[in-house]
Amino acid sequence: EVQLLESGGNLVQPGGSLTLSCAASGFTFSSYAMSWVRQAPGKGLEWVSSISNAGTTYNAESVKGRFTISRDNSKNTLCLQMDNLRVEDTALYYCAKGRQAFDVWGQGTMVTVSP
Amino acid sequence: EIVLTQSPDTLSLSPGERATLSCRASQSVSANYLAWHQQKPGQAPRLLIYGASNRATGIPDRFSGSGSGTDFTLTISRLEPEDFAVYYCQQYGTALITFGQGTRLEIK
Repeated sequence: EVQLLESGGNLVQPGGSLTLSCAASGFTFSSYAMSWVRQAPGKGLEWVSSISNAGTTYNAESVKGRFTISRDNSKNTLCLQMDNLRVEDTALYYCAKGRQAFDVWGQGTMVTVSP
Repeated sequence: EIVLTQSPDTLSLSPGERATLSCRASQSVSANYLAWHQQKPGQAPRLLIYGASNRATGIPDRFSGSGSGTDFTLTISRLEPEDFAVYYCQQYGTALITFGQGTRLEIK
């Protein structure tokens, strides 16, 4: 069974940093692009960042220069390093398989940025 | 960035009725790279349709997608109780992926 399990969400102050992880199983992780999508409380979906299977990265304008996506194919793990966090980054962060139509989603990990 | 506008914001229908949800893009979506996702309260989204009209694995055939260019439609032929949820369109034809704001399908 294909599964994605996010972790690392927490409460952090504005300007702080946090690293999210996503453990993948049930598919050949190294063959697929992966992405992060977030959802602020009561709001819609917002694409954050993607990484190709070869390591090319893509970022939304709202996080460019602050968030860094990476992957470790030996550990089947996707990461999101988030620096200089803002209140508006508060959201449930989903890991998703692919960089086109996201066909598998994790259950999400909550990031709260508050003084 | 391609802006996706969904309509209506909320759609109130009864089980058994037909639902038609719209997604309009601010510019043409390359190769019809348009997907639809369903999200129920407290759950992660689920892919329904990709490539504008292709059902994802395990999706019932009452769900269908159509359209091209800038205008796309998700149709649910006969609503089942489990279909009441929020639906999002997503375009992936550019490096900057975008979602619509969502349509809430509620029970009338």
